[in-house]
Amino acid sequence: RKEVEQDPGPFNVPEGATVAFNCTYSNSASQSFFWYRQDCRKEPKLLMSVYSSGNEDGRFTAQLNRASQYISLLIRDSKLSDSATYLCVVNIAGGFKTIFGAGTRLFVKA
Amino acid sequence: EAGVTQSPTHLIKTRGQQVTLRCSPISGHTSVYWYQQALGLGLQFLLWYDEGEERNRGNFPPRFSGRQFPNYSSELNVNALELEDSALYLCASSQHRVLSYEQYFGPGTRLTVT
Repeated sequence: RKEVEQDPGPFNVPEGATVAFNCTYSNSASQSFFWYRQDCRKEPKLLMSVYSSGNEDGRFTAQLNRASQYISLLIRDSKLSDSATYLCVVNIAGGFKTIFGAGTRLFVKA
Repeated sequence: EAGVTQSPTHLIKTRGQQVTLRCSPISGHTSVYWYQQALGLGLQFLLWYDEGEERNRGNFPPRFSGRQFPNYSSELNVNALELEDSALYLCASSQHRVLSYEQYFGPGTRLTVT
């Protein structure tokens, strides 16, 4: 079983749609959680950190469920520019180990 | 504020050769991470340096090595290059000493081994 698992997609959605990505992790020592986006042949860019209380940044909302070892990302009112691969990232044991999920590909179409 | 920088941008090498990649972290960041991303695949963790010491390494052979300098910049060395080493090599930095594990990436070095 992979330590961080994501639905690979692709997700094909129309502009304006709401889309949700899920991620599960297996290591209970996981401490910090993040979502990154990566455009084709570019470096990953930090989208947001994920906190137990949940957090929101504009159209993006991230949730963490430690009991179920589950992280989610919700994108509302999708834009064409949201088309990218979204990476779930888990940091274990005080930064000792960082694991990137394989990513979920999103295509937003006009 | 300047971001993470990497050099060179692109590199073409022949099998068996050696290569050195360089990374400068964001000012104030003490941790540097190296990742390999082969075409169409996910990021694979290579090495983590913090305060000049190697703190952890991923499941890569010893011909992948590196170091971190007193100014926190870092080098990744790959010896005896193989065709499967062709990939995007990404460097990231973080402010580990303040328990911030957010990593910020440089643009990467695209290595092609022929």
